Order: sequence, then C-alpha cells, then structure tokens
Amino acid sequence: LAKTTQPISMDSYEGQEVNITCSHNNIATNDYITWYQQFPSQGPRFIIQGYKTKVTNEVASLFIPADRKSSTLSLPRVSLSDTAVYYCLVHGDKIIFGKGTRLHILP
Amino acid sequence: NAGVTQTPKFQVLKTGQSMTLQCAQDMNHNSMYWYRQDPGMGLRLIYYSASEGTTDKGEVPNGYNVSRLNKREFSLRLESAAPSQTSVYFCASSPGGADYGYTFGSGTRLTVV
Repeated sequence: LAKTTQPISMDSYEGQEVNITCSHNNIATNDYITWYQQFPSQGPRFIIQGYKTKVTNEVASLFIPADRKSSTLSLPRVSLSDTAVYYCLVHGDKIIFGKGTRLHILP
Repeated sequence: NAGVTQTPKFQVLKTGQSMTLQCAQDMNHNSMYWYRQDPGMGLRLIYYSASEGTTDKGEVPNGYNVSRLNKREFSLRLESAAPSQTSVYFCASSPGGADYGYTFGSGTRLTVV
C-alpha cells in the first residue's frame, strides 16, 4: 500500500482558498487518490476522488500531476465549518488511513 | 436512507468481558470494513469483508473476530476485552472496487476499564 505524507496541521482564514498537498511517491498503477474529511466525534466523510488530472465537485477540487506522485486538495472560500481533519488516501480495494491534516479555519 | 448504522453508540466494559458491535448498511454495498480510531490518530483497519461470505485481516486484527452475517450486516466481536481496546470503532461500507468511496457510520465509543 502506498504511503502518503501530508502536513500535520494548517491554519487559514475564512474566505481564503486552502490547498493541502499530499505526496505519494510509490503510488501503484491501479491506485486511486481519495480525500476524506472528519469532524470530531463523527466518521470520515468522502470529499473527492481522482485517478489523474483534475477533478472538481461541489465542495472541492483535486489536482493530480501527470506522474501522480502527489495530489492537492483545494477548498475554495473556506468557512469556520471547514475546520476538520483531512485525510489523503492512496488505495486499491482496501483503504489504509494516515494521520491526516488538521485544518483550522480562523475568523 | 439510513446509510451505515452502528450499535451501540457507547459502551463500557470490564476487562475480560465480551461484546459484539453491530453494523448494518442499507445501500446494497458489497464490501464492509471495521476501523478503530484512538485519540489524535488516524483510523486503523481491523478487518474487512470484500463480499458476502469473505473476511480478511487488516492492520490490527488481534483480539477481534468478525462475522459477515449477510450482505447487510458485519459484526465485530471482542472475546475478552482489554483496556488497550478502548477506542472509537467505525464501520464502513462501499460498493467494492478502488474507484468508490466509503460510507462510514457514526461510530461506537468503547471504554474498557
């Protein structure tokens, strides 16, 4: 299973765009890249998934360069409610979680 | 649509007691998973079931057993609880395959004293 490295924590301000970058140098050909969000006392929630290039949905964008050795989750115009832990996962059928990035949004 | 339902939400056990955590999903998903999460940590995979009738060990299976009762239900059993098993337990399900996200339950907070 590919190991991921992401920042332990990040701070940003309301209304800003937040980019969280994850490195995964030994990603396998069949692996997907998925990001989850977790609030305290809740289970993780699926945010976005991609294989290559760029993926966008109603809450985030995911940028994946051609070599797929990293990925960047982009959250546009964050609010206080985006304060959470964000997990970058590289996986086949079975997902192994890392420690995630604690994102703290300030007013 | 309830998604993934876990019971109980909270439980306190004495060391050596046994209990079963229940998980059910109503999304007709093929794959189901049990994770544990300790304070300040990410989730660690205990066991998973890729399809009805199959189960496999994850990262931290020792001290646990599982049963995939049918397509909907996947239970986790602690035969002899230990304080080291104090944790929050999450069940998840997915259609199966790498290109699908997981849906998680709200968790069971277990304390072993």
